[in-house]
Amino acid sequence: AQTVTQSQPEMSVQEAETVTLSCTYDTSESDYYLFWYKQPPSRQMILVIRQEAYKQQNATENRFSVNFQKAAKSFSLKISDSQLGDAAMYFCAYRSFYGGSQGNLIFGKGTKLSVKP
Amino acid sequence: DADVTQTPRNRITKTGKRIMLECSQTKGHDRMYWYRQDPGLGLRLIYYSFDVKDINKGEISDGYSVSRQAQAKFSLSLESAIPNQTALYFCATSDFKDRDHEQFFGPGTRLTVL
Repeated sequence: AQTVTQSQPEMSVQEAETVTLSCTYDTSESDYYLFWYKQPPSRQMILVIRQEAYKQQNATENRFSVNFQKAAKSFSLKISDSQLGDAAMYFCAYRSFYGGSQGNLIFGKGTKLSVKP
Repeated sequence: DADVTQTPRNRITKTGKRIMLECSQTKGHDRMYWYRQDPGLGLRLIYYSFDVKDINKGEISDGYSVSRQAQAKFSLSLESAIPNQTALYFCATSDFKDRDHEQFFGPGTRLTVL
């Protein structure tokens, strides 16, 4: 079974600085999707960025980018120019390429990010 | 209006009570999910449904049941609530036709069982 590990329960960053959140996963599959979700204090789950495993190019969404290392099974999230609104819980998630029950999301335990003004 | 809605948003109940959490969606998605979030544990899947006639258990289904009344509605029931079911509950939807089956989440229901 696949697992997702976020080894940093809490992180802190100074406003305008860059921070990287770590995520590793375990799978025997070659095709899959990876996601980062943001959960601000409003508790809404917001998709930040996604990566398809067969794509070698790292995904980027404005100030958010990932470092996808398939061989190392690592999927870290980099937030550049951190803003106060980036303060939230961040969840890494895995989804198999295949359908059925394998297609369900598997979440890490989350990393709480604080942004200092 | 929100695409995925959950009612109630907050609920306090007592041990042994039956409680139903409701989820509705206007996205036209075929797949719906119920998750539970506990501090330090992330989100865990309770039940999921790929269409109206399809119900599947997730990782932590014990003590819960679901009903898919229509494509747009998916309810989660706690037949006899217990304190360790105190958690944040999320409903989510996805579209089979969507390549990566992105899941769209409701606003969550904060449930407290006393």
